[in-house]
Amino acid sequence: AQRVTQPEKLLSVFKGAPVELKCNYSYSGSPELFWYVQYSRQRLQLLLRHISRESIKGFTADLNKGETSFHLKKPFAQEEDSAMYYCALSPVRNTDKLIFGTGTRLQVFP
Amino acid sequence: EAGVTQFPSHSVIEKGQTVTLRCDPISGHDNLYWYRRVMGKEIKFLLHFVKESKQDESGMPNNRFLAERTGGTYSTLKVQPAELEDSGVYFCASSQVAGHSYNEQFFGPGTRLTVL
Repeated sequence: AQRVTQPEKLLSVFKGAPVELKCNYSYSGSPELFWYVQYSRQRLQLLLRHISRESIKGFTADLNKGETSFHLKKPFAQEEDSAMYYCALSPVRNTDKLIFGTGTRLQVFP
Repeated sequence: EAGVTQFPSHSVIEKGQTVTLRCDPISGHDNLYWYRRVMGKEIKFLLHFVKESKQDESGMPNNRFLAERTGGTYSTLKVQPAELEDSGVYFCASSQVAGHSYNEQFFGPGTRLTVL
């Protein structure tokens, strides 16, 4: 079965602390993995994708096929990082449909 | 660029009634997707249009849901008759024609549907 698991519903940290949002997936093939973010009163938007291997707003995510994980990390959290984060998987090339996890709310306190 | 737009932003209806949601994709985007988030659960894929054709409708929950995209521009999602479990936020997304790499999906603000 194709599934994305985000075990934490809420993650609270203080400004400057490291952040790791966990994501595990279940898929038999070679999926594409993404992190989407929704800031307060804004739309869902793409944060980063594993194939580009880039850092966006200080966030990085490494695909670990052995552990079937795609955890999102940032060494020093900022208050503006507070948002809802969704890990997503795209299993089939010709449809690009996304399979989302349940999301993790990140709260960064000053 | 207005981005993906959805109408209405909120809809409150009674069980058994009909509701039609509308999505206008970004101009020039051939791919159009519908997703739904039921309270407390993940955002789930409903279906995917390429222009006016249904590419994948594997996520449509049952035959009370009907999606159309006449002319390959805007799309409508009709729920008839609505049931309590249909309550949630319905998202629309669009992207350019799929090529050899993933095409970013741009999401609309969503329509919050409440069935009483």
